[in-house]
This record gives sequence, structure tokens and C-alpha cells, in this order.
Amino acid sequence: NAGVTQTPKFQVLKTGQSMTLQCAQDMNHNSMYWYRQDPGMGLRLIYYSASEGTTDKGEVPNGYNVSRLNKREFSLRLESAAPSQTSVYFCASREIMAGTQYFGPGTRLLVL
Amino acid sequence: AQSVTQPDIHITVSEGASLELRCNYSYGATPYLFWYVQSPGQGLQLLLKYFSGDTLVQGIKGFEAEFKRSQSSFNLRKPSVHWSDAAEYFCAVEPGGSYIPTFGRGTSLIVHP
Repeated sequence: NAGVTQTPKFQVLKTGQSMTLQCAQDMNHNSMYWYRQDPGMGLRLIYYSASEGTTDKGEVPNGYNVSRLNKREFSLRLESAAPSQTSVYFCASREIMAGTQYFGPGTRLLVL
Repeated sequence: AQSVTQPDIHITVSEGASLELRCNYSYGATPYLFWYVQSPGQGLQLLLKYFSGDTLVQGIKGFEAEFKRSQSSFNLRKPSVHWSDAAEYFCAVEPGGSYIPTFGRGTSLIVHP
């Protein structure tokens, strides 16, 4: 039981490049989330997916797109990376009524 | 919209001393409340949560938190801190039924030997 896994762990991009961050969970959770964490800012929600087939914008969606590929997988895409997207990205999953979010180990992204 | 405030950016305590981390929220009704811990280079892990009922909640690693409706607070406490408790602590508030928590900016706990 791996919980929530994220790939890659680290990535360096040049401005304008694109990339996809992958997230998968093996807990059969309905809901999945993408956050970014910046120093002194806590966690800010980028997108979430309440269930397979649905996605909604969070607090800071600009510059990102998501895909809920199936119940297990929820990917985050940066179409044209900008230095402002340098951050640590966390994926989380949750069984709705239980309340607890389970977080992946994070992806550290540097955009030059 | 709800908001959550963690007034202390950093807290330093000596090993064996007691600890209290503050969390205040703004929301019209009683929300769901959470405390998470993040060790360096790791993701977040749930310490405890409050949905309803007994306002004193016990969590993992010897932590507890008390919900005080009159003060809109959900402070985290531990009677005796261990060096391994050094980490970042996040309070989160969630309107019941939204399934979208809002996180505070975090409090960094430093433990001196």
C-alpha cells in the first residue's frame, strides 16, 4: 500500500517549457487535490477533483490544467512554465466523509 | 469565505517543555478543523481533527487540541516536546460539506536540546 505517489520528485524547467506532474493513489479515494506550497504562504489549492470525471478550480488555477485520468490518477500540467510557478507541489487524496487528506511526498519544481 | 490564522511564524521551545500552537479561524458556523504536521522534505500528515462532539480532541504523537467556539480557536498542545517534534505545523478549516479545507500559513517549531 504505497498511499499517494508523485513523480517526478525534482524538476528544473526553462521558462516556456511544459511538463506534467503525475499523482496516483491506491486507497480507492474519490477526491483528489493539487496544492502548491510557497514559503510563508501555507498550502494553496490549485485544482481539485471531487470524483472521477469532475474537476474544479481552486484558489490559484491560472497557468495550470488538470486531468482526472481515472479514479487513481490525477495529473497537473504546466503548459508554459513561468518563474512564478517555482514551488513545491503536493497531491492529496481523501475519502470524502472521513475528512483526512493523505499527501504525497511532493514535487520540487524550479523554473529558470 | 473562511479564513484561518496562525499568529506565530516560529516557536522555539526546549526539549521537555510544554507546547501550545495557536490557530484562529473565521467562519460563520462551526467548521471542520484539522492539524497537520510536515517534517522537512515530506508531505503533510494528519495529527488530529474535530468535526463535532467533545471539544478536546486527542491525536497521534501525544498531541491534543481544544475547540473553543467562543474564541473561534483550535489550539494544539503537547505537554512535553521531543526533539523529533521539530517540524512545520498547519491548521486547516473546512466548512462542513465543502470538502475543501483552507490551510493556515504554518508555524515552524524549533526544539532546543
